Amino acid sequence: GEDVEQSLFLSVREGDSSVINCTYTDSSSTYLYWYKQEPGAGLQLLTYIFSNMDMKQDQRLTVLLNKKDKHLSLRIADTQTGDSAIYFCAGEGTASKLTFGTGTRLQVTL
Amino acid sequence: EAGVVQSPRYKIIEKKQPVAFWCNPISGHNTLYWYLQNLGQGPELLIRYENEEAVDDSQLPKDRFSAERLKGVDSTLKIQPAELGDSAVYLCASSASGGANTGELFFGEGSRLTVL
Repeated sequence: GEDVEQSLFLSVREGDSSVINCTYTDSSSTYLYWYKQEPGAGLQLLTYIFSNMDMKQDQRLTVLLNKKDKHLSLRIADTQTGDSAIYFCAGEGTASKLTFGTGTRLQVTL
Repeated sequence: EAGVVQSPRYKIIEKKQPVAFWCNPISGHNTLYWYLQNLGQGPELLIRYENEEAVDDSQLPKDRFSAERLKGVDSTLKIQPAELGDSAVYLCASSASGGANTGELFFGEGSRLTVL
């Protein structure tokens, strides 16, 4: 099955850019997703990218996909304290099954 | 529009006791998922329903876990008997099936289980 890996923790200052990275193993993934989880809450879809795209921008969010290296990143511009959360990368493998990474905890400091 | 509703939010039980979780998906969503989220981990799929049919239950430990989705709307997930290792958050999610993008899952807030 698909394996999705992420670094565990990232700390940035408010106003700086955050870059959260993810690697996946299933090259047949059609879509790749970024979800956000705030404390005590469920996951919320932030954005997704189709596998034939290299980049997708949505307001402060930029997703970059390197299919050759199976590397996905999420850049958050002008990071705010409200962006503090856990960010999960997810790949859609066989049988339309989502596999989530372990999550990256983003801490935004003043 | 109401989101995915789960109950209870928190449950503390002793090992070997039974426990049940309930989920009400977003109205009109045919696909319902139960995920297990251990501390510090990402969600792992337990079971996926298309309407009332379980189309993927390969990760559901069937010796102690059971799930049902009668009438293709609400769903319950049961553990009997619970073990210490079952302590986790149980997340329910739903999505509108038939779209080209199957990753737009809408999650509930989860049911946190503590087994003592």
